[in-house]
Amino acid sequence: GQNIDQPTEMTATEGAIVQINCTYQTSGFNGLFWYQQHAGEAPTFLSYNVLDGLEEKGRFSSFLSRSKGYSYLLLKELQMKDSASYLCAWTGSGGYNKLIFGAGTRLAVHP
Amino acid sequence: DVKVTQSSRYLVKRTGEKVFLECVQDMDHENMFWYRQDPGLGLRLIYFSYDVKMKEKGDIPEGYSVSREKKERFSLILESASTNQTSMYLCASSPVNGEGGDTQYFGPGTRLTVL
Repeated sequence: GQNIDQPTEMTATEGAIVQINCTYQTSGFNGLFWYQQHAGEAPTFLSYNVLDGLEEKGRFSSFLSRSKGYSYLLLKELQMKDSASYLCAWTGSGGYNKLIFGAGTRLAVHP
Repeated sequence: DVKVTQSSRYLVKRTGEKVFLECVQDMDHENMFWYRQDPGLGLRLIYFSYDVKMKEKGDIPEGYSVSREKKERFSLILESASTNQTSMYLCASSPVNGEGGDTQYFGPGTRLTVL
């Protein structure tokens, strides 16, 4: 993706915790999104961070550090259905809500 | 619930054909977007529209055009399809100044194969 990096693939065990990292360029940054995409399906919204810190939403949490150009998505108590691609995307301050997506991290959860 | 629909899930066309991909959203969103998604490259923005009859080029507009005659409908047109346009095409819509940073909502995608 354009100026946004995340690992290509990760594997984890059912019941475990996994952290998916994302780094992005900081110039013109406004906010950061995480989306989940199951194979052959549309991306669905998970979280949006605009301020530094951790936002918790059930088993999923998202963290942002604006000064470091860094975010992560934390998935707890992993379930088989969490096997999917996780897309990091940042939005700039230029208007029209354009998103710049990373290439996505494919997470495989094993029993 | 926001609903974004796309006219076809799968489409097979021949090189040189004119191709229309339709997208409809039912939430009165101002912004609409067309992306293509390719393995290892992620989602790349082709065109977007922030109002009826308004359009802006995204990162990869070459070989594509768009039309937005009504607020709920955004069409992507491949004037003369080529094999390198074989891809998954995703449409999205978002409100302006909505909650959650103007979250984009995606349609199910159209997998286009150009032979």
